[in-house]
Amino acid sequence: GAGVSQSPSNKVTEKGKDVELRCDPISGHTALYWYRQSLGQGLEFLIYFQGNSAPDKSGLPSDRFSAERTGGSVSTLTIQRTQQEDSAVYLCASSPSGGKNNEQFFGPGTRLTVL
Amino acid sequence: GDSVTQMEGPVTLSEEAFLTINCTYTATGYPSLFWYVQYPGEGLQLLLKATKADDKGSNKGFEATYRKETTSFHLEKGSVQVSDSAVYFCALRFGGSQGNLIFGKGTKLSVKP
Repeated sequence: GAGVSQSPSNKVTEKGKDVELRCDPISGHTALYWYRQSLGQGLEFLIYFQGNSAPDKSGLPSDRFSAERTGGSVSTLTIQRTQQEDSAVYLCASSPSGGKNNEQFFGPGTRLTVL
Repeated sequence: GDSVTQMEGPVTLSEEAFLTINCTYTATGYPSLFWYVQYPGEGLQLLLKATKADDKGSNKGFEATYRKETTSFHLEKGSVQVSDSAVYFCALRFGGSQGNLIFGKGTKLSVKP
């Protein structure tokens, strides 16, 4: 079956521009996560959506970062006024539910480069 | 806060050597523990997991045992292959409102023929 997909696979932007990254989770998965993978920081949690509950935004590094999940499926991560330190690979994952034993399935990531 | 610490790499081994990658965690409750692997050019994928103390996760010849007394989840393999070259991440997760994974920094393994 189809896994988690993300688009675009690569994005190069200029400092100060806004970017939108998209994630299509596995059909039927109620939990969706965004992470960021960078050389200096490793894998960092950004935001977590579970069903119709309010998202856990505790990992967002600044108010320039926001995310939506429409209809309990597709999610968009938006970074406003991008900075060079935002350069990283942004990973999306989905899970059948938020239960602690459930596997999270990761997408291939979007590599963001801010010039 | 909750955290995962794993041995720093890179680790370079010859084929058929024994592998251990150490992982310890700090947690206020009883998380599930995971090892994820990222092969070159590929996405993160689950290697194995353990959901309670003394559980042993195993897959593809890799094993790790959830040790509550030492708060550890060390990854082992008796005989590594070149195809095991990858970055390995130890992680913990509580679930529910704290559903996100908390990752270690990753350990890069290179296996030489």
